[in-house]
Amino acid sequence: GAGVSQSPRYKVAKRGQDVALRCDPISGHVSLFWYQQALGQGPEFLTYFQNEAQLDKSGLPSDRFFAERPEGSVSTLKIQRTQQEDSAVYLCASTKGGYKFGYTFGSGTRLTVV
Amino acid sequence: QQPVQSPQAVILREGEDAVINCSSSKALYSVHWYRQKHGEAPVFLMILLKGGEQKGHDKISASFNEKKQQSSLYLTASQLSYSGTYFCGTELRGGNQFYFGTGTSLTVIP
Repeated sequence: GAGVSQSPRYKVAKRGQDVALRCDPISGHVSLFWYQQALGQGPEFLTYFQNEAQLDKSGLPSDRFFAERPEGSVSTLKIQRTQQEDSAVYLCASTKGGYKFGYTFGSGTRLTVV
Repeated sequence: QQPVQSPQAVILREGEDAVINCSSSKALYSVHWYRQKHGEAPVFLMILLKGGEQKGHDKISASFNEKKQQSSLYLTASQLSYSGTYFCGTELRGGNQFYFGTGTSLTVIP
């Protein structure tokens, strides 16, 4: 597609509920990144894919967070047993390859855990 | 490892100039600059890949001092549309790691 598409745009989850956030990157972009952005803060790295391979997942805060990109295009970030501290905007970005190109970000998913 | 930006916030009148600084404690391979408007995703402005490189488009430019591990973003003759939060992003030398800075809120008033 022309840009990075994320869905849903907003998600309200009850504490303990599982959620799945979707990212559809720009066609042909091999690198895909997930970031978490708390209110008033800069984006914080969660995980990085090169095609279908997850090359870095060091930023995932706990084993409740899981990401996949099975066919090297669409990616899903799953959060199990959500907690209030998971409330944030989750941003997906894609590039032609690694960090040497500027990120194109999606509009993000604002997750609120109540 | 998160780069520190200064100032944290700045208010300008239309037509005034501003400089935003980004400083890292680690050796850098590249620096990115992004602008984020309230409720929107960050938008890529430019990337600097070499120490000493300067880039710009329109009236926004940036420099990268590799030795000092610093970058600066220059906004000249500011316009209302420049308002937003500016983030630098730094790729560390020697490791495949990238960190966004602490952010600078810039407000341009008429």
